[in-house]
Amino acid sequence: QKEVEQDPGPLSVPEGAIVSLNCTYSNSAFQYFMWYRQYSRKGPELLMYTYSSGNKEDGRFTAQVDKSSKYISLFIRDSQPSDSATYLCAMSPSYAGNMLTFGGGTRLMVKP
Amino acid sequence: NAGVTQTPKFQVLKTGQSMTLQCAQDMNHNSMYWYRQDPGMGLRLIYYSASEGTTDKGEVPNGYNVSRLNKREFSLRLESAAPSQTSVYFCASSGWLAQNTGELFFGEGSRLTVL
Repeated sequence: QKEVEQDPGPLSVPEGAIVSLNCTYSNSAFQYFMWYRQYSRKGPELLMYTYSSGNKEDGRFTAQVDKSSKYISLFIRDSQPSDSATYLCAMSPSYAGNMLTFGGGTRLMVKP
Repeated sequence: NAGVTQTPKFQVLKTGQSMTLQCAQDMNHNSMYWYRQDPGMGLRLIYYSASEGTTDKGEVPNGYNVSRLNKREFSLRLESAAPSQTSVYFCASSGWLAQNTGELFFGEGSRLTVL
């Protein structure tokens, strides 16, 4: 069983829809949670980061962490075709870069 | 400002051949990393260098070697390539801000096929 599970998709939604992307994990030591966005043929780039449980909002994006359920989510409001990408969750016991564990990524397609 | 630059972008090797992937960053970051990305497997850490002069194994180091040539450059070498090493390889770097954000800066990737 992988430490971090993520539905690979693809997830196809119409423009303007609310998107929910999720990851589950098994390691209770994870305290730091990140979402990376990866466009086709590009490297991942950090989208959001959170510490411990709770919500964090940044524009159209909201990251949610439920440590009791070992479940994290990324919500995208008013999705745009430019949001079409693969979204990778990542988590770690600390922010040390060498300790990050990535999910397999969910491919999102937003259709105009 | 180029960020993280990887070369080559594409490479086809035969089993048993050797090659080196080059990586350079211009952000004055202390830490550098090599990951591989396979379908459904996410990014897996091969080796990392926390600072100039140090290197450590990651999750999947077998079949690879690295060199931290200086603060800017971190190379990954495949001594005897195997088909299982067919993958997309990403170099990344992080600076002191990563202590608060976990942000890694990635290159665009090197696509390697081993026949």
